[in-house]
Amino acid sequence: DVKVTQSSRYLVKRTGEKVFLECVQDMDHENMFWYRQDPGLGLRLIYFSYDVKMKEKGDIPEGYSVSREKKERFSLILESASTNQTSMYLCASTSGGVGYTFGSGTRLTVV
Amino acid sequence: TQLLEQSPQFLSIQEGENLTVYCNSSSVFSSLQWYRQEPGEGPVLLVTVVTGGEVKKLKRLTFQFGDARKDSSLHITAAQPGDTGLYLCAGPFYNNNDMRFGAGTRLTVKP
Repeated sequence: DVKVTQSSRYLVKRTGEKVFLECVQDMDHENMFWYRQDPGLGLRLIYFSYDVKMKEKGDIPEGYSVSREKKERFSLILESASTNQTSMYLCASTSGGVGYTFGSGTRLTVV
Repeated sequence: TQLLEQSPQFLSIQEGENLTVYCNSSSVFSSLQWYRQEPGEGPVLLVTVVTGGEVKKLKRLTFQFGDARKDSSLHITAAQPGDTGLYLCAGPFYNNNDMRFGAGTRLTVKP
């Protein structure tokens, strides 16, 4: 069964900390995405990547960066966590032309 | 402003009832996807519609893509408690890989 695995289901971090969210897929997909999900706002695209070492800004990239050193791994980095980054973070991948496969999400709380 | 507007935002019905939820946009999409998300999990793809006027059936779920490819609907017949979840529609933005999501319809089916 194909899988997208996010390293943590729940995280609690302090304001100002640097936070790493990891995502690994085992489907050899070229395309990977990071979204955040907030009530009433749906899923908002933060960053995406079409290939190793490539990255593109989504709709809300401010305060975030990403890294894709290997095809199967896409990391989201919060450079200095703030309380308004408390959210559910979802990673997804696709080979193109078909639907996304999502991970189970990481619920991040910044205190 | 959401690129994709979903309505209603919340829907609570009794088991056995029928329902329809909507996904609307002022933009034309080459395709639209529907996902269902259960609590604590990532969204799971239900269907992709690609042709204006297309109707797809998935057991008790019927999906329709509008003739102008600006809207879509999901109709559930004889809803069951297992249908409970957040239903999301999504459409490609710049290309077929770069999806934007609506805020979703949260459906509760009571036994």
